[in-house]
Amino acid sequence: RKEVEQDPGPFNVPEGATVAFNCTYSNSASQSFFWYRQDCRKEPKLLMSVYSSGNEDGRFTAQLNRASQYISLLIRDSKLSDSATYLCVVSPNAGNNRKLIWGLGTSLAVNP
Amino acid sequence: DAGITQSPRHKVTETGTPVTLRCHQTENHRYMYWYRQDPGHGLRLIHYSYGVKDTDKGEVSDGYSVSRSKTEDFLLTLESATSSQTSVYFCAISEIEGNSPLHFGNGTRLTVT
Repeated sequence: RKEVEQDPGPFNVPEGATVAFNCTYSNSASQSFFWYRQDCRKEPKLLMSVYSSGNEDGRFTAQLNRASQYISLLIRDSKLSDSATYLCVVSPNAGNNRKLIWGLGTSLAVNP
Repeated sequence: DAGITQSPRHKVTETGTPVTLRCHQTENHRYMYWYRQDPGHGLRLIHYSYGVKDTDKGEVSDGYSVSRSKTEDFLLTLESATSSQTSVYFCAISEIEGNSPLHFGNGTRLTVT
């Protein structure tokens, strides 16, 4: 089993739709979780950190399920500009960016 | 956006030649990282730096060396480029070591023929 797994997609959704991605991780001791966004041929950018209690930033909601070892990202009211690849990132401990494990990403295409 | 500049943006080189990629930051962040991104792999850490002259190996460091003589510059050198080093290389910085966002440069596309 890969350390971090994501459905590569692509997810094709119409504007205004709600879409959700999951990311599973194998190390139950993982401490920190993030979602990054990467546009085609561009650098990754932090979208949001994922906290144990879940967190929301506008149309984006991230959740952590430790029992089932996955994190999720929910996007409401999708915009064309949301089209990108969403990268799941997991850290085995909270104090060490050197140990980040990156997923391969889930591709989202929002269509007019 | 964080002030990170990578150069060159694109490079084509021949097998066996040395190549140096440069990462320059204006944020005065202590931590700097070199990653490579390849199809079928998540981002993989090559080397990182935790201060001037302080560097250490990452997951895929073979064939690469780094130097950091100033806070703002982190150089990645391919001593003798191979075709397996054809990749997109990203530099990243962070203000603290853990649980903090990485800010990435816009990448260098390297092709080794």
